[in-house]
Amino acid sequence: EAGVAQSPRYKIIEKRQSVAFWCNPISGHATLYWYQQILGQGPKLLIQFQNNGVVDDSQLPKDRFSAERLKGVDSTLKIQPAKLEDSAVYLCASRVVGRRVGDGQYFGPGTRLTVL
Amino acid sequence: SQKIEQNSEALNIQEGKTATLTCNYTNYSPAYLQWYRQDPGRGPVFLLLIRENEKEKRKERLKVTFDTTLKQSLFHITASQPADSATYLCALSPGAGSYQLTFGKGTKLSVIP
Repeated sequence: EAGVAQSPRYKIIEKRQSVAFWCNPISGHATLYWYQQILGQGPKLLIQFQNNGVVDDSQLPKDRFSAERLKGVDSTLKIQPAKLEDSAVYLCASRVVGRRVGDGQYFGPGTRLTVL
Repeated sequence: SQKIEQNSEALNIQEGKTATLTCNYTNYSPAYLQWYRQDPGRGPVFLLLIRENEKEKRKERLKVTFDTTLKQSLFHITASQPADSATYLCALSPGAGSYQLTFGKGTKLSVIP
């Protein structure tokens, strides 16, 4: 099966600019996650979707970050305006709802964002 | 607050030896504990999941133990190979259907030929 797709792979912007990341999960995966991974740290969950509904966005900085998954398939994460501390890799992951517990999450390659 | 510690930022071992990585946690009662492998420039790859009521899980050269009394998991790679060199991440999940993951910082393993 095809993996989780993300684009772009790299993005360089100046602070106060806006940026958007796109994710296409594995076909049939109802649950989608966005993570932020700062250099030297583990991934930190930003938001979780199930189909097109938000399950948890408690760690999403809502004053500048937004995410949507309108048709329950692909998703977009936006930052507006960006700050220097937003420099990180943004990872998308997906999982099948109801799949046996023994399976983990499937991650995409990530988008590396540099804010200058 | 919840805290996950992977006690070594980096671990160097000789090829053929067994690598042992440690994950400790506090202020958390996870239902599941997972281990992921991450190579530079790539997303994490799922390796193993162990439940709170399981003591040990094996997959090929990998073995994971889970001690909820000590609040610790050990991750072993036997007969290590240079291709095993990567960062290994420990992740905890509360279960209850959410399967949300809280990750540790990871341990960078280098297997020296």
